[in-house]
Amino acid sequence: NAGVMQNPRHLVRRRGQEARLRCSPMKGHSHVYWYRQLPEEGLKFMVYLQKENIIDESGMPKERFSAEFPKEGPSILRIQQVVRGDSAAYFCASSPDRPPAAPLHFGNGTRLTVT
Amino acid sequence: AQSVSQHNHHVILSEAASLELGCNYSYGGTVNLFWYVQYPGQHLQLLLKYFSGDPLVKGIKGFEAEFIKSKFSFNLRKPSVQWSDTAEYFCAVNGAMNNNAGNMLTFGGGTRLMVKP
Repeated sequence: NAGVMQNPRHLVRRRGQEARLRCSPMKGHSHVYWYRQLPEEGLKFMVYLQKENIIDESGMPKERFSAEFPKEGPSILRIQQVVRGDSAAYFCASSPDRPPAAPLHFGNGTRLTVT
Repeated sequence: AQSVSQHNHHVILSEAASLELGCNYSYGGTVNLFWYVQYPGQHLQLLLKYFSGDPLVKGIKGFEAEFIKSKFSFNLRKPSVQWSDTAEYFCAVNGAMNNNAGNMLTFGGGTRLMVKP
């Protein structure tokens, strides 16, 4: 019974490159959330997706960041032209098709380092 | 907008000491409240949650939290900590009627607990 799977665990990119972070939710979960954790800070909500739909992207930077959750395959968080300030841990979480009170299940995160 | 404050960023305790981590939130409506724990190198795990009913909530590993509505607080407690409780603890809240955003949680900044053996 696999949990939320994120890969890669660690990702190093040079400034200006693209970073692609993948998240496979738990089996049976169709709600996916991405959070970012900057050093010494808490988790900040970025985006909430259901299959093929972005429900809430109020926490996403307006430029360079995008997210998708296709009908088939994992959810992808894409960061174009990375900068040093993008260095952080990016966590994905999922929940089943239940009312808002269902708790989230988190993945192990992807630690992005921009050099 | 909702927000969560955790006033203690770092806490150091000796084994068997009692623990209380503060959490205050601001939100204009009914809330669901959570405590998550992140052990070194691991993902966040749910410790306990409050939706309604008894304001004293029991969680895993001997943790409990008390919801005090008048103080907008949801402090985490444990009577006697162990070395294995060394971790980072996050308080989180979502609006109970926040249907449009589903389970969008707002997290506090976290408290790093170190328990000395």
